[in-house]
Amino acid sequence: GQQVMQIPQYQHVQEGEDFTTYCNSSTTLSNIQWYKQRPGGHPVFLIQLVKSGEVKKQKRLTFQFGEAKKNSSLHITATQTTDVGTYFCAKGGRNTGFQKLVFGTGTRLLVSP
Amino acid sequence: DTGVSQDPRHKITKRGQNVTFRCDPISEHNRLYWYRQTLGQGPEFLTYFQNEAQLEKSRLLSDRFSAERPKGSFSTLEIQRTEQGDSAMYLCASSNSIIGRLVSNYGYTFGSGTRLTVV
Repeated sequence: GQQVMQIPQYQHVQEGEDFTTYCNSSTTLSNIQWYKQRPGGHPVFLIQLVKSGEVKKQKRLTFQFGEAKKNSSLHITATQTTDVGTYFCAKGGRNTGFQKLVFGTGTRLLVSP
Repeated sequence: DTGVSQDPRHKITKRGQNVTFRCDPISEHNRLYWYRQTLGQGPEFLTYFQNEAQLEKSRLLSDRFSAERPKGSFSTLEIQRTEQGDSAMYLCASSNSIIGRLVSNYGYTFGSGTRLTVV
């Protein structure tokens, strides 16, 4: 299938430590999105990456799109307990209009105070 | 209009019964998607609409599943003769189609979902 793999599946960190999740695809991605899902909640859109090598920042979150557009990463600096949740990458369709998204397997983050 | 609304939030049904879920998307969004999510997994695509047209349907969707978006606004997802394997969170999302533009803050808006339990 066209599944997008994410590693690690789960990570438990102490508050203040950094965290990174990686998203890998066997095929070239036209674009990728990242979502956060809090426990018991629904996915919430974080960002979209389109260009090869693109790096975008949102406060403590840094998103990267690989040069070959086959992988992406999300890095959180100095985690806080509010960062707890599952982070999903999702690959979009051929056009930027996004006919549909295929979600990755997710990385569950637990942050201890 | 504050977001995507789904109704009901929870549904418990007996195996073999039919269930119907409703989704009200963000009014200016022309695309509407249904996803299914089971515990510990990412959302799985089921189907999507652009306006009232159903443009794609996943092979995961058996004949027992049907979705409609009659006037290009709200949508319903019906599951006939429910099975225990249908137990999951059913998520609806909406978005706008943008062709030929690179938009940096463009994504799906999900509803809170309908949690279905088939007993």
